[in-house]
Amino acid sequence: DAKTTQPPSMDCAEGRAANLPCNHSTISGNEYVYWYRQIHSQGPQYIIHGLKNNETNEMASLIITEDRKSSTLILPHATLRDTAVYYCIVRVAQGAQKLVFGQGTRLTINP
Amino acid sequence: GAVVSQHPSRVICKSGTSVKIECRSLDFQATTMFWYRQFPKQSLMLMATSNEGSKATYEQGVEKDKFLINHASLTLSTLTVTSAHPEDSSFYICSARQGDRAPYEQYFGPGTRLTVT
Repeated sequence: DAKTTQPPSMDCAEGRAANLPCNHSTISGNEYVYWYRQIHSQGPQYIIHGLKNNETNEMASLIITEDRKSSTLILPHATLRDTAVYYCIVRVAQGAQKLVFGQGTRLTINP
Repeated sequence: GAVVSQHPSRVICKSGTSVKIECRSLDFQATTMFWYRQFPKQSLMLMATSNEGSKATYEQGVEKDKFLINHASLTLSTLTVTSAHPEDSSFYICSARQGDRAPYEQYFGPGTRLTVT
């Protein structure tokens, strides 16, 4: 599976949009981009995933560049409860089924 | 969304004893479940992948005789830490894959904190 690169930490003011970048320059055409987050001492929480097109759900938006080599997770109105470690993972849709976690981005929302 | 539970949430055991952790998919059938371990301030490390009715596949470096995994039904997988030692103290997290079609969304349990004294 393709590797991803994320900044180790980011800060964002409460109420503002949090934009979390992820580089996945070696992504293959059949690999999806997944985002999960882990709040302290809890299991990871699924946020969103995408293949080519931008995606939006009740939690966040996922913007994937046209060449698919990078993506951005957007939390439109960050709250203190969004403080967590955010993981960007790319994985083939078939065959290998496991999610391999990198170090993620530790996002801190400040009041 | 799909719900995965784990039991117990916390357990303290003495060195040399065995501990069983349960992972259940509450509102869906999970043909595949995964077990992860997480040490403080580190990322999740995949331990093994289990498919219902077959033997688990362990990641390199994980002792299969020490970490026994049973996936006897489509909603339950268990991890037994045998002859536990203090270095096995960790946060154990399971996840379950929903569905048989791409993109294979995966949902995680709340984790079990194991402390071996």
